[in-house]
Amino acid sequence: DAGVIQSPRHEVTEMGQEVTLRCKPISGHNSLFWYRQTMMRGLELLIYFNNNVPIDDSGMPEDRFSAKMPNASFSTLKIQPSEPRDSAVYFCASSLLELGELFFGEGSRLTVL
Amino acid sequence: DAKTTQPTSMDCAEGRAANLPCNHSTISGNEYVYWYRQIHSQGPQYIIHGLKNNETNEMASLIITEDRKSSTLILPHATLRDTAVYYCIAFNSGGSNYKLTFGKGTLLTVNP
Repeated sequence: DAGVIQSPRHEVTEMGQEVTLRCKPISGHNSLFWYRQTMMRGLELLIYFNNNVPIDDSGMPEDRFSAKMPNASFSTLKIQPSEPRDSAVYFCASSLLELGELFFGEGSRLTVL
Repeated sequence: DAKTTQPTSMDCAEGRAANLPCNHSTISGNEYVYWYRQIHSQGPQYIIHGLKNNETNEMASLIITEDRKSSTLILPHATLRDTAVYYCIAFNSGGSNYKLTFGKGTLLTVNP
């Protein structure tokens, strides 16, 4: 299996622009997670889905952030409008059932100027 | 989920065993101990987990004390590629609040 695939790996954008991050989970996994990592705050869970349904989005920082999972093989995290403080590495992870063994992608490094 | 406490950093000589401690004195009976690591610029990687018995896999061994208030992750023969941040997490996989919460972890540096 190719593992969790994220794109883009790197994104540099200007403040106010829309950013869309994409994730393809491991085939057969039914839970998907979006994390954000910064030096100051470490790894934070933003949202997780189970069977394509958002279960907990309490970690989403504000209305500028939205996440969707239209099917079992694809999810997006969108930031609109983006701000410099959104600069971080965003990780997607998937797991089988609601277990603690998560498989992480390589991350998308976002820089907002 | 119970809070865990880990040293900020540790050093280990290449080829020697690395023993990473974790304190989880408030762990509840149905919470597992999970270990992950994150090599620089990569996503976190699952290592091992356990409930009360010691566990071993191809990557590491996990020793959990009888009272379950602490555990130790053992890398039997550390290599330079084991340099990473190691996270210890207490997690209830059967609970309704499915959040795997990462703390600051321990930065393990394996020296030649």
